[in-house]
Amino acid sequence: AQKVTQAQTEISVVEKEDVTLDCVYETRDTTYYLFWYKQPPSGELVFLIRRNSFDEQNEISGRYSWNFQKSTSSFNFTITASQVVDSAVYFCALGGGYQKVTFGIGTKLQVIP
Amino acid sequence: GAGVSQSPSNKVTEKGKDVELRCDPISGHTALYWYRQSLGQGLEFLIYFQGNSAPDKSGLPSDRFSAERTGGSVSTLTIQRTQQEDSAVYLCASSSGTSGTTDTQYFGPGTRLTVL
Repeated sequence: AQKVTQAQTEISVVEKEDVTLDCVYETRDTTYYLFWYKQPPSGELVFLIRRNSFDEQNEISGRYSWNFQKSTSSFNFTITASQVVDSAVYFCALGGGYQKVTFGIGTKLQVIP
Repeated sequence: GAGVSQSPSNKVTEKGKDVELRCDPISGHTALYWYRQSLGQGLEFLIYFQGNSAPDKSGLPSDRFSAERTGGSVSTLTIQRTQQEDSAVYLCASSSGTSGTTDTQYFGPGTRLTVL
């Protein structure tokens, strides 16, 4: 069975601070995909990134970066120089094989001005 | 282009009544998913449609829940004899792939259901 753990339920940072959201996963599949979604207060989940298990290169997109470590089964997400608009719930998700996509319970990020 | 749309955005109903929630996926997307998100919780998978194949209903919590997808496009999630524990946000997503497990899903804004 698949499992996604987001141990941080809530994080508060002051604007311009860097913040890392942790995601640890469990799967028996050798081929799988990892995702991050952002859910702002408006409620709609916004896709951020999809990464397959064979690509361990770190990804950077503007202030966002992702660190994929197969050795520790982690796919952490870092926001550099956080802004108030980054305040949201962030979900990590895992899909692969015949298992449906499994979502973590989310990390609520509050960026304080 | 247009994203996934859902209606209504909010629904308040009385216990025991039936409700219908609608989802209009992104044009051309063959896969459609329904999820339930209870307050402060993650996403609970409900049902998955892929093209004209039989849907994967493995996540439906009870036989009061059903869904259909007409013409491979619009989907309706029906909850019969609603209970207070059905109160949640119901999210719909669609994707262009055929995997169902590894494709990127694009979500609608959700329908917030409140059962009094």
